[in-house]
Amino acid sequence: SYELTQPPSVSVSPGQTASITCSGDKLGDKYSSWYQQRPGQSPVLIIYQDNKRPSGIPERFSGSNSGNTATLTISGTQAMDEADYYCQAWDSSTVFFGGGTKLTVL
Amino acid sequence: QVHLQESGPGLVKASETLSLTCSLSGGSISSFYWSWVRQPVGKGLEWIGRIYTTGSTNYNPSLKSRVTMSVDTSKNQFSLRLNSVTAADTAVYYCARGRTGTITPAGAMAYSYYHMDVWGKGTTVTVSS
Repeated sequence: SYELTQPPSVSVSPGQTASITCSGDKLGDKYSSWYQQRPGQSPVLIIYQDNKRPSGIPERFSGSNSGNTATLTISGTQAMDEADYYCQAWDSSTVFFGGGTKLTVL
Repeated sequence: QVHLQESGPGLVKASETLSLTCSLSGGSISSFYWSWVRQPVGKGLEWIGRIYTTGSTNYNPSLKSRVTMSVDTSKNQFSLRLNSVTAADTAVYYCARGRTGTITPAGAMAYSYYHMDVWGKGTTVTVSS
């Protein structure tokens, strides 16, 4: 079974850059996706195919993936970005999620 | 705009079968993969499986023995059945549309992808003893 590991929590000051990592064996050889989930809401796709943003997702969200680590970067973090973030990969016809990272905007 | 709505009993007795339906509006169910994802309260996301409009399925290996998915293209609906439920199956259940494909970068091996771009609001299912 494939595992994706995320830090449980990340803190950032408003206006600063937040980075959330997702680690997995040879993750760079797979496509990664990222979802944002605000409290009480459904997940929202914010990054797919490592670095593409769906329509309507702000440019401050970006992604990268190389080696064993995928990274979600939020530039100029806003209070509304406070949420849980999940990485996701596809391997052996199975979806794998990371455990999620709670982003706190202090 | 595509909209997904989960429906089904909010309370299921232990050892019985959980049955949910996802209804699609604003688009066609054809030519897409459709997934179920669940989330216990306060915990992370768990993928249950996916179904294509032809009926082809992939299930999470950890749930495969208890899961059945089906699709009704005439009704623009797809369904989930999870049998022999226990308290551990108590969760919010989401349905979602999947995007899949394979990309072959120049000079590199092919990479497959699957991500979920439209999600329902979720429905809470509680398993009672």
